[in-house]
Amino acid sequence: ETGVTQTPRHLVMGMTNKKSLKCEQHLGHNAMYWYKQSAKKPLELMFVYNFKEQTENNSVPSRFSPECPNSSHLFLHLHTLQPEDSALYLCASSQDWAANTGELFFGEGSRLTVL
Amino acid sequence: EDKVVQSPLSLVVHEGDTVTLNCSYEVTNFRSLLWYKQEKKAPTFLFMLTSSGIEKKSGRLSSILDKKELSSILNITATQTGDSAIYLCALQTGANNLFFGTGTRLTVIP
Repeated sequence: ETGVTQTPRHLVMGMTNKKSLKCEQHLGHNAMYWYKQSAKKPLELMFVYNFKEQTENNSVPSRFSPECPNSSHLFLHLHTLQPEDSALYLCASSQDWAANTGELFFGEGSRLTVL
Repeated sequence: EDKVVQSPLSLVVHEGDTVTLNCSYEVTNFRSLLWYKQEKKAPTFLFMLTSSGIEKKSGRLSSILDKKELSSILNITATQTGDSAIYLCALQTGANNLFFGTGTRLTVIP
């Protein structure tokens, strides 16, 4: 138990569906992240939020839409995805982005399959 | 372009063996190098290294950074089956981005 909870753990969706991934952290951290982990590829940073403000958007396609209503919650809204978007989506948090020591606390991930 | 390369890609050893995992990097603005362990899904933090030649140690795990060689090693002594995991190396750059390598998959056989 890392203090970062992701739901759902598994998601299968068609290319025309709209779904959302949810992340919640109970650590009192101020920065939250979405990472994508595909088979045999490095973890790819997608988005960073610091104090609810988006500070990084790593050239992610617009079919992925993040939302951070407060410092404890982070969403990833998905629509019209492609099969190549199938991956493990990991949420992470850290105390503060600007003073980031590099120690991220990861959730267990949401395994997404796009048919 | 910032790059992190880990070797070997995978490794199978017997319990009790000692293993050395390698991480080499190219980065324009180095801030720190980190090691993570990923057993099932969630990577967990092991070490953060910022200075060359200073060993970080935690139980049977240790790690050291060589800024001249742009590399780091992670050593695990007296391996146990619970050490089976993917070990991820990551570079933190001045822009506060964290670049991960593809990882080394370690399998420890009883």
